[in-house]
Amino acid sequence: SQKIEQNSEALNIQEGKTATLTCNYTNYSPAYLQWYRQDPGRGPVFLLLIRENEKEKRKERLKVTFDTTLKQSLFHITASQPADSATYLCALDISGGYNKLIFGAGTRLAVHP
Amino acid sequence: EPEVTQTPSHQVTQMGQEVILRCVPISNHLYFYWYRQILGQKVEFLVSFYNNEISEKSEIFDDQFSVERPDGSNFTLKIRSTKLEDSAMYFCASSTATGELFFGEGSRLTVL
Repeated sequence: SQKIEQNSEALNIQEGKTATLTCNYTNYSPAYLQWYRQDPGRGPVFLLLIRENEKEKRKERLKVTFDTTLKQSLFHITASQPADSATYLCALDISGGYNKLIFGAGTRLAVHP
Repeated sequence: EPEVTQTPSHQVTQMGQEVILRCVPISNHLYFYWYRQILGQKVEFLVSFYNNEISEKSEIFDDQFSVERPDGSNFTLKIRSTKLEDSAMYFCASSTATGELFFGEGSRLTVL
């Protein structure tokens, strides 16, 4: 069966450290993978998109990797800040670019001062 | 910064009633979507819409659901006869062709 899994437990880290979040999937061949941030009661906010032929993408303090052999994406936030505390969602496009996204359950990140 | 706006922010309705949720996508976007999130669960795809027709829909999007772009700015989701299990946050989103989705803040639907 098709699955997309993210760390179900909350991730607690100290301010200034690097947060690493994991997204694993099975039985999909996505054209690309996206990461979103969601705050309680609010809509997801797009962070990064990485295509199947890309290994790594960066944007400011964010970095995402995509290993289609391992079927895994890692999402890193360097020099984390309390304002980075939120739930981070991984999403796969399973429609070849029509944005039929399958979301993971998300990992809640808490950055402590 | 342009944004997707949704109304109402919260709607309470009786089971069996019709509900229309409204969205104004970002003005130069061509692709429109509805997703939903039941409390404590994953964000789920409902439907995508392009060039005035449905591009993709999920198993959730059955005959009770319909979408419409009645004019050049609005995009609506209609649920004909609401059920208790339709209670959720409904998110509208829009995009250009690049894949990055811009979500609205959602409309919370409570069915009693």
